[in-house]
Amino acid sequence: DAKTTQPNSMESNEEEPVHLPCNHSTISGTDYIHWYRQLPSQGPEYVIHGLTSNVNNRMASLAIAEDRKSSTLILHRATLRDAAVYYCILRDSQTGANNLFFGTGTRLTVIP
Amino acid sequence: GAGVSQSPRYKVAKRGQDVALRCDPISGHVSLFWYQQALGQGPEFLTYFQNEAQLDKSGLPSDRFFAERPEGSVSTLKIQRTQQEDSAVYLCASSFSLYRGTDTQYFGPGTRLTVL
Repeated sequence: DAKTTQPNSMESNEEEPVHLPCNHSTISGTDYIHWYRQLPSQGPEYVIHGLTSNVNNRMASLAIAEDRKSSTLILHRATLRDAAVYYCILRDSQTGANNLFFGTGTRLTVIP
Repeated sequence: GAGVSQSPRYKVAKRGQDVALRCDPISGHVSLFWYQQALGQGPEFLTYFQNEAQLDKSGLPSDRFFAERPEGSVSTLKIQRTQQEDSAVYLCASSFSLYRGTDTQYFGPGTRLTVL
């Protein structure tokens, strides 16, 4: 699976939008972009995924660049509960391993 | 419904002891994964089951690590002759779909293993 690059940490004020970037310049046409997050002392949880088009769900939005070499996870109004490590992960639908490659992620701090 | 559960949540072992960590996946989930998470790092893959078949064990760090899922549901990760470097959180995840691109993995809370 192709690699991703994320900033180590970001801060946001509570109730403000947060844009978490992810670069994946070696993405292939069959790679899906997944985001998971891990709250303190918990296992990771799924957030959202997409292939080419922007995606919205109750947790977040995923904006995918036209060339697919980068994407942005958008939390529309950060709450204290959103403080977590966010992982951007590529998953090849055709080949490669079934497991997730997490990397080090972005640690999001939400300031009250 | 019930999520993935793991037991025990915390385990302290003396160096050289054997430990067994249990994972109860979500009912009906075909795939089951074990990951190891060292302090301050992201989870790293250990092994993968599809039903009772262990299809990938490439992430197991040594032959002291052994995993099984004999009836295709509950899984046990066993570590023999524990070493201090085995101290980590061990995470179990399960998923329903076999489609790599879009399946969602559901994680348990993990077992924190401390080897003294």
